[in-house]
Amino acid sequence: KAGVTQTPRYLIKTRGQQVTLSCSPISGHRSVSWYQQTPGQGLQFLFEYFSETQRNKGNFPGRFSGRQFSNSRSEMNVSTLELGDSALYLCASENSGTGGSDTQYFGPGTRLTVL
Amino acid sequence: GNSVTQMEGPVTLSEEAFLTINCTYTATGYPSLFWYVQYPGEGLQLLLKATKADDKGSNKGFEATYRKETTSFHLEKGSVQVSDSAVYFCALRSQNAGKSTFGDGTTLTVKP
Repeated sequence: KAGVTQTPRYLIKTRGQQVTLSCSPISGHRSVSWYQQTPGQGLQFLFEYFSETQRNKGNFPGRFSGRQFSNSRSEMNVSTLELGDSALYLCASENSGTGGSDTQYFGPGTRLTVL
Repeated sequence: GNSVTQMEGPVTLSEEAFLTINCTYTATGYPSLFWYVQYPGEGLQLLLKATKADDKGSNKGFEATYRKETTSFHLEKGSVQVSDSAVYFCALRSQNAGKSTFGDGTTLTVKP
């Protein structure tokens, strides 16, 4: 099975712009979660989607949003970019989405740089 | 809320040395515990996991035992290799919780 794929791998944007990142989960996986990784804050949870519905949300401002499509692919959008949004954005997929002992499989990430 | 505390790095070892990276956690109920590894420029790879007390997870020579009495999940390897150089993250997931809570990561460098 192919792993989790994320596109693009690298992005450079300027402040005030918006950006859309894409994640394709492992075939058959229905849950997709997004994380932001920065040197200062570490790995922080953004949100989780399951069967096209947002099921959990982290403590990020409304500029961060996401969605999931019927084929389980997910996108996240960041509007009005700020310098502090520069980070590695990781997507993780899992099979049943029941949490707990399920393993999340991570993609390679999208490196976003905001100038 | 849930939290994970990892041993601060960086950790530098010589090849074939013994490795321990400490991890303790705070959580309600009975979380599952994970170790992930991240190589430069890559995402996280699951290294091992344990889902209940006294379980031992193991993979590629790495081991960790779920200790509920000490709320710990320390990572160990008997003989490290240069190729083990990476950042290691301890994480937990509560039952029925969508998100994983991660430690800050420990950078391991193994010198030949």
